[in-house]
Amino acid sequence: DVKVTQSSRYLVKRTGEKVFLECVQDMDHENMFWYRQDPGLGLRLIYFSYDVKMKEKGDIPEGYSVSREKKERFSLILESASTNQTSMYLCASSSTGDKDTQYFGPGTRLTVL
Amino acid sequence: LAKTTQPISMDSYEGQEVNITCSHNNIATNDYITWYQQFPSQGPRFIIQGYKTKVTNEVASLFIPADRKSSTLSLPRVSLSDTAVYYCLDRQGGSYIPTFGRGTSLIVHP
Repeated sequence: DVKVTQSSRYLVKRTGEKVFLECVQDMDHENMFWYRQDPGLGLRLIYFSYDVKMKEKGDIPEGYSVSREKKERFSLILESASTNQTSMYLCASSSTGDKDTQYFGPGTRLTVL
Repeated sequence: LAKTTQPISMDSYEGQEVNITCSHNNIATNDYITWYQQFPSQGPRFIIQGYKTKVTNEVASLFIPADRKSSTLSLPRVSLSDTAVYYCLDRQGGSYIPTFGRGTSLIVHP
């Protein structure tokens, strides 16, 4: 069974803290994605990566950075968390040959106080 | 023009057929249209994908006209368990970035 796992289901942080969200996939997929999901706005792409150490900005990269040191792992970093980054964060992966069939993790609900 | 648009919500009753349409105003020429389903507290999951005409699988059908400016997800004989949010996905012309619609919340009533 294919699997995308995220390090936490729920996370509470304070304004100004550095936050790491981790995502791991076991399907040997080349592509990995980070989205945030907010009511009424759907899924918005923050960053994606199509290979190790490669990254591309999505629609809303401001305030975020990413790291992909190994193929199976894609990390999202909030350098200095702010309250407007309170959201649901979803990680996904896909293969290059079938890039729009994305497999999603369960999500991390981040609250920044 | 808005990128990828779909209705915010729909209501239906058990046993009815439901059609959800998405507009793809600037879709890339060679890319597929994909639909996802999301239940509360879960990530979205793939339902169906197509390029042109009609595609059918065990879950749904997808209709895409020749101009590819829209797509229609068809759920035959819905049940209460089909209550979910449905997203369409495409890629905008000239971009590698996948673009989701804002989602259609489908509520199926008994």
